[in-house]
Parts: sequence; structure tokens; C-alpha cells
Amino acid sequence: DVKVTQSSRYLVKRTGEKVFLECVQDMDHENMFWYRQDPGLGLRLIYFSYDVKMKEKGDIPEGYSVSREKKERFSLILESASTNQTSMYLCASSYRLSGTEAFFGQGTRLTVV
Amino acid sequence: AQKVTQAQTEISVVEKEDVTLDCVYETRDTTYYLFWYKQPPSGELVFLIRRNSFDEQNEISGRYSWNFQKSTSSFNFTITASQVVDSAVYFCALSDLYMPNAGGTSYGKLTFGQGTILTVHP
Repeated sequence: DVKVTQSSRYLVKRTGEKVFLECVQDMDHENMFWYRQDPGLGLRLIYFSYDVKMKEKGDIPEGYSVSREKKERFSLILESASTNQTSMYLCASSYRLSGTEAFFGQGTRLTVV
Repeated sequence: AQKVTQAQTEISVVEKEDVTLDCVYETRDTTYYLFWYKQPPSGELVFLIRRNSFDEQNEISGRYSWNFQKSTSSFNFTITASQVVDSAVYFCALSDLYMPNAGGTSYGKLTFGQGTILTVHP
């Protein structure tokens, strides 16, 4: 079975903290994605990576950065967490070619207080 | 830029009713893919179907069916004889070709709609 694993299911952090969300996939997928899910807004793409050390901004990259040092791991970094970053974060991976389905992790619900 | 619109925020039905979830998309590409995903209460998105832009045949899988109409840029999803287990958030998504640099490899970037919350009551 394809597995995309996010390091935490629930996370509570304080405003101003640096936060790391980790995602690991075991399918040798080239593409990896970080989405943010908020009610009424659907899934919005934060960043994606199509290869090791390669990254592209998505639709809402402000306040976030990413790191992809190894093919199987894609990290989302909140440099200085703020309350408006309280959300559900979803990681996904897929093969590079357009049209291949993405596989998702279970999500991390982050609360910034 | 690509865009996916799911105008129905929430739908509530009684078990055994048929229900249709609407999806309208925008893209400039002639080659693209459309998807439906289901997100049950557990939170993990589950892939349901993929359709490419050259294949307008409707598809049926058990109680699920999909109607793709290129002329209206729509990819609607119908559940026949709904069941309580169908209660979930359903997302429509669009993947078109993305090339990060000229002459480079293209890859699929998934753009999602806002999602439709479906509640099926017993």
C-alpha cells in the first residue's frame, strides 16, 4: 500500500514559534505537495516540489517555507507561527506525470495559540 | 490559471436518495485531468476517479457515476441510492501541465475546489 505519513496528527504551538511539519512517502514519487485546508476554502496549495531540492510556490506561500533534501521527505516550515496559520495541513505525493493521482497523508491539525 | 468551483457547500439527503455533486472548472490547457476525491471523517483524502480531457465518456462504478461535459466545463458526480457511509467531504480537482522552466519536464499540479459536505441521514 502506498503510504504518505505525516509526523503529527495534532499539534499546538505558540505564536512566534518555528514549526516543522514533516511528511514521508514510500512510493518513490517525484512530486510532493503541501496543502492547507480551511472550511469553505477547500484545499489550497502552499508549496510543491517536483524533485529533490526543487520547490515551487503554490497559491499561498506567504509565511511558509519548505525543504526537500531527500526524495521521500518533504518538510513544511512555519518560520514564525501566527494564529491565522491555525489550520489542517495535508501532504500529498504523486508521480511526476500530469494525470497521476495524488496520495494523501492523514493530515496535521495545527493550532497556534 | 486553473480554477475549480464547487458551488454546493453542503448537501443533506435521506438514505436511498440520489444526489449529484457539481463541479465546474477553468483551464487554458487542452490537455488536462479531472479528479474526484472523498474525505471521510477520518481526514485522509481517498481518490475516486480520474478522467482525461480527451475522454468524454461517462463512467459508472457501482452506485457512483460521473458525467464529464467539455462543452460546459463540468465534471459532475452522482451517487445513486445514497448510504450513510457516503457522508463525507467530496473534492473535485484539476491537474494540468505545469512546466517550471522552458523546455523542462512538465508535471501535474493539482488544484482543488472548495469541497461539498455531503450528509446522508438514515
